[in-house]
Amino acid sequence: GQQLNQSPQSMFIQEGEDVSMNCTSSSIFNTWLWYKQDPGEGPVLLIALYKAGELTSNGRLTAQFGITRKDSFLNISASIPSDVGIYFCAGPLAGGTSYGKLTFGQGTILTVHP
Amino acid sequence: DAGVIQSPRHEVTEMGQEVTLRCKPISGHDYLFWYRQTMMRGLELLIYFNNNVPIDDSGMPEDRFSAKMPNASFSTLKIQPSEPRDSAVYFCASSSSTDTQYFGPGTRLTVL
Repeated sequence: GQQLNQSPQSMFIQEGEDVSMNCTSSSIFNTWLWYKQDPGEGPVLLIALYKAGELTSNGRLTAQFGITRKDSFLNISASIPSDVGIYFCAGPLAGGTSYGKLTFGQGTILTVHP
Repeated sequence: DAGVIQSPRHEVTEMGQEVTLRCKPISGHDYLFWYRQTMMRGLELLIYFNNNVPIDDSGMPEDRFSAKMPNASFSTLKIQPSEPRDSAVYFCASSSSTDTQYFGPGTRLTVL
């Protein structure tokens, strides 16, 4: 079945540093989603990408939909302590929609040291 | 606006007991999803509904798990009998047919 491979699995950074994480797949995705999960909470949608090559920003977050449709990356600039959490990429199965059945990556655990 | 509501937030039970998790989706959403999250397996989709009808239950681990959606504003996930390996965080999520999924806060289940 389709799988999303996220890297790195974990990151330990200093406050103020930039962060980059990515997600790859052997299959084509038509939508890429990036979620953040705070400790003890459910995942919250950060950014949704719907078109190959699309670059979208949400505050200090920037995400891009790879032109091959098989990858996406998420950057966080000038990290702050509240950026701590688990970041997931996700996408609908082939032929699916972003509101339907999703496949999730394994997650990137981000730790920010003040 | 109220998001997805789940109850209880925490459940501790003994092996063999019945467990019922509850979810109230966002009003107006016609899709409802049940996920399970563990360290080993990450986020797994168990089952999802569209307009209260189960569409795909291929992720339900075994017959001990069952889910219902009697109306558009309520769903349950039941485990009977529960086993220690069922310990996990269970999330409910909902979406409309024009938007992405929104997750509830989860129920942390511990089976002793």
